[in-house]
Amino acid sequence: NAGVTQTPKFRVLKTGQSMTLLCAQDMNHEYMYWYRQDPGMGLRLIHYSVGEGTTAKGEVPDGYNVSRLKKQNFLLGLESAAPSQTSVYFCASSLGTLSNQPQHFGDGTRLSIL
Amino acid sequence: AQKVTQAQTEISVVEKEDVTLDCVYETRDTTYYLFWYKQPPSGELVFLIRRNSFDEQNEISGRYSWNFQKSTSSFNFTITASQVVDSAVYFCALSEASDSWGKFQFGAGTQVVVTP
Repeated sequence: NAGVTQTPKFRVLKTGQSMTLLCAQDMNHEYMYWYRQDPGMGLRLIHYSVGEGTTAKGEVPDGYNVSRLKKQNFLLGLESAAPSQTSVYFCASSLGTLSNQPQHFGDGTRLSIL
Repeated sequence: AQKVTQAQTEISVVEKEDVTLDCVYETRDTTYYLFWYKQPPSGELVFLIRRNSFDEQNEISGRYSWNFQKSTSSFNFTITASQVVDSAVYFCALSEASDSWGKFQFGAGTQVVVTP
């Protein structure tokens, strides 16, 4: 069972470069989320989507953009990478409709900005 | 404002000892949901349990148990007879019913180190 798949798993970028992280889920989940994980800060929500074609800002959206053109995919973009964006990025999805649904996570993308 | 507090940054125990992880939350909602996740050294996040605000029954699953107390806004997690495989970071999370989009507030996590 694939669940939530993130690509790539690792990436090193230079300051100012751009890239896109891909998240794909095969559970027909309605809601999808992008988080970043930094030491001592837990997971912080970057952006989220409650359905195809809709996105919204989370707690730390600056410097990131997202798109959800297909229900199963949620893309996170860095237009001009900065060292402060060095982090581990997690994508998650949930069934939606109710706030009691657990989120299912991908394995993470470790991103380093030099 | 931090809605979920995990005050313990790291806990080290020797195998077979019990370990309790504290989670204190803050919410004005009367309906809310609490979750625990495990992040082993391999990095993935594994869902362990969900508890809703109307169910204060404690729960036991094998060596894991959870103590939910609304009076103290706490949802603590105990690992009994710890094993090396329990070494991981454990996160507590809160989801509020007033948030229709199921967003989570995560605590900072507690690193559990179990040594043989």
